[in-house]
Amino acid sequence: GAVVSQHPSWVICKSGTSVKIECRSLDFQATTMFWYRQFPKQSLMLMATSNEGSKATYEQGVEKDKFLINHASLTLSTLTVTSAHPEDSSFYICSARDSTAGRGMNTEAFFGQGTRLTVV
Amino acid sequence: DAKTTQPTSMDCAEGRAANLPCNHSTISGNEYVYWYRQIHSQGPQYIIHGLKNNETNEMASLIITEDRKSSTLILPHATLRDTAVYYCIVLRDTGFQKLVFGTGTRLLVSP
Repeated sequence: GAVVSQHPSWVICKSGTSVKIECRSLDFQATTMFWYRQFPKQSLMLMATSNEGSKATYEQGVEKDKFLINHASLTLSTLTVTSAHPEDSSFYICSARDSTAGRGMNTEAFFGQGTRLTVV
Repeated sequence: DAKTTQPTSMDCAEGRAANLPCNHSTISGNEYVYWYRQIHSQGPQYIIHGLKNNETNEMASLIITEDRKSSTLILPHATLRDTAVYYCIVLRDTGFQKLVFGTGTRLLVSP
């Protein structure tokens, strides 16, 4: 089945530094990918929609200058947490759907395994 | 997209059927019902989806009421590995709609 891979699985960084998380669709093309954040014992919160070749669309309350999203190819989207602080420590998850399935066709979304970010 | 309501938690004995309900009383005609689950510290996993007919796959069955205002996900023979948070999501069939997760149902399967 379709696979979405995230890298790294976990990362520890110092406060003030930036961290890049990659999301790849391994066996399908994805013009659109989604980034979520999940705090302990909470549900997934959608952060932004990553669009190949254009700007990402951010959900209300998510700082676009802090969470930089780049979707440079049909199989790769990256999320960069800039100037990370301890409150950015969270579980970050991406998802993607197969673009070749065609718009208007209901297809399931595939999720990466998540990246656990700890800012110290 | 229509909102969904699920019980916060449920328990099930290993080997028994787990029936997880979901209310979506404001669902509209072109909205599908999707089910995902998230095992602890992993990304969500797709289970099944349907429009109005009942659906079955190797993981589960989805029963949608005739008025489509509610549905039930059935895991026919629950195992310990089915312990997870189960999310019922209603989504329009208009392209790559974003999945918005509610609080889900935490299913605990016990020996």
